[in-house]
Amino acid sequence: DIQMTQSPSSLSASVGDGVTITCRASQTISSYLNWYQQKPGKAPKLLIYAASSLQSGVPSRFSGSGSGTDFTLTISSLQPEDFATYYCQQTYSTTWTFGQGTKVEIK
Amino acid sequence: QVQLQESGPGLVKPSETLSLTCAVSGYSISSGYYWGWIRQPPGKGLEWIGSIYHSGSTYYNPSLKSRVTISVDTSKNQFSLRLSSVTAADTAIYYCARQRKYDSGGYYHDAFDFWGQGTMVTVSS
Repeated sequence: DIQMTQSPSSLSASVGDGVTITCRASQTISSYLNWYQQKPGKAPKLLIYAASSLQSGVPSRFSGSGSGTDFTLTISSLQPEDFATYYCQQTYSTTWTFGQGTKVEIK
Repeated sequence: QVQLQESGPGLVKPSETLSLTCAVSGYSISSGYYWGWIRQPPGKGLEWIGSIYHSGSTYYNPSLKSRVTISVDTSKNQFSLRLSSVTAADTAIYYCARQRKYDSGGYYHDAFDFWGQGTMVTVSS
């Protein structure tokens, strides 16, 4: 299976801060990478697909980049509703796998 | 708006079979898309279980393949998950989701765009 490793595992930031989360694949996955946001007690929500395409209805402060093995999710100016856990997911191989998650907490 | 709702027993005994159903509203399964199951052990990350097309074509996570069956009932607009020989390690929140293929640069990329709220299943005697 392709292993997905996110860093950091958690971070603290303030409203208005810029935040970057990294996701690294154990082998090349081209741009077959999605990002999801999950709030406590809720289902994940799709933010970014194909590494850099913004899902409809998602605020433009979210952006994704990367290809091959290294990817980033950037939140340009953190809003109160952005405090959540973020997961990357690869759909390159026939066995889809997720990263372990990055929890974004309020400083 | 597409909505998905999981249902099934919240408690299953070890060695028995876990059975869940996902009812879809706001979209006809027969119209297309794949439909998937994902689970999340308490306090942990996400694990894809498997997916099914409206025609019945399936593909599963190899780590669970020997125990998993996903089926679809287009007449009821729902799809189902069966996981046999469960152990405590199968305790998790189980989500159903719609799997959409996005065209990006001429290539199709899968992602789960609509999710159910999830249902907690505990394996315990």
